[in-house]
Amino acid sequence: GAGVSQSPSNKVTEKGKDVELRCDPISGHTALYWYRQSLGQGLEFLIYFQGNSAPDKSGLPSDRFSAERTGGSVSTLTIQRTQQEDSAVYLCASSWDSYNSPLHFGNGTRLTVT
Amino acid sequence: GNSVTQMEGPVTLSEEAFLTINCTYTATGYPSLFWYVQYPGEGLQLLLKATKADDKGSNKGFEATYRKETTSFHLEKGSVQVSDSAVYFCALRGTGANNLFFGTGTRLTVIP
Repeated sequence: GAGVSQSPSNKVTEKGKDVELRCDPISGHTALYWYRQSLGQGLEFLIYFQGNSAPDKSGLPSDRFSAERTGGSVSTLTIQRTQQEDSAVYLCASSWDSYNSPLHFGNGTRLTVT
Repeated sequence: GNSVTQMEGPVTLSEEAFLTINCTYTATGYPSLFWYVQYPGEGLQLLLKATKADDKGSNKGFEATYRKETTSFHLEKGSVQVSDSAVYFCALRGTGANNLFFGTGTRLTVIP
């Protein structure tokens, strides 16, 4: 079956531009996560959606970062006025619920800010 | 707070060697512990998990035991194969938490 799909797989943008990263979770998964993986770093939690509840935005590094999830399915992560330190691989994951169900990850979007 | 400290790599082993990748954690309450693996060109996937102290998670010949007394969840395999070459991530979910905390990952390369 279809896994978590992320697009684009690679994105190169100029400093100061806005970017949108898309995640299509596995159908029926109620929980959706965004993580960021920088070179030599672990996965940094960004934001979490669970059903219709208010998202947990505690990991967003600045107000330039925002995310939404429309209709409980597709999610978009937006980074405004990108900076070079935003360069990383952005990973999306989904799961059946928010506790012990395994996370299913997409292959990520590699963002390079020049 | 919650955090995971993972053995730094890279680790290079010969086929059939014994593997240990160390993972220790800091958490409040009673966390659940996980190992995820990322094979070349693929997304992260769950390898094994343990949800309470003294539980042993196992899968594909890999094992890890949840040791509360040493706050550890070391990954072991008795005889590695070339196909085990991947990046391994230790992860923790704290009690009542929404997100998983991941270690930095350990790259394993197994040579024939």
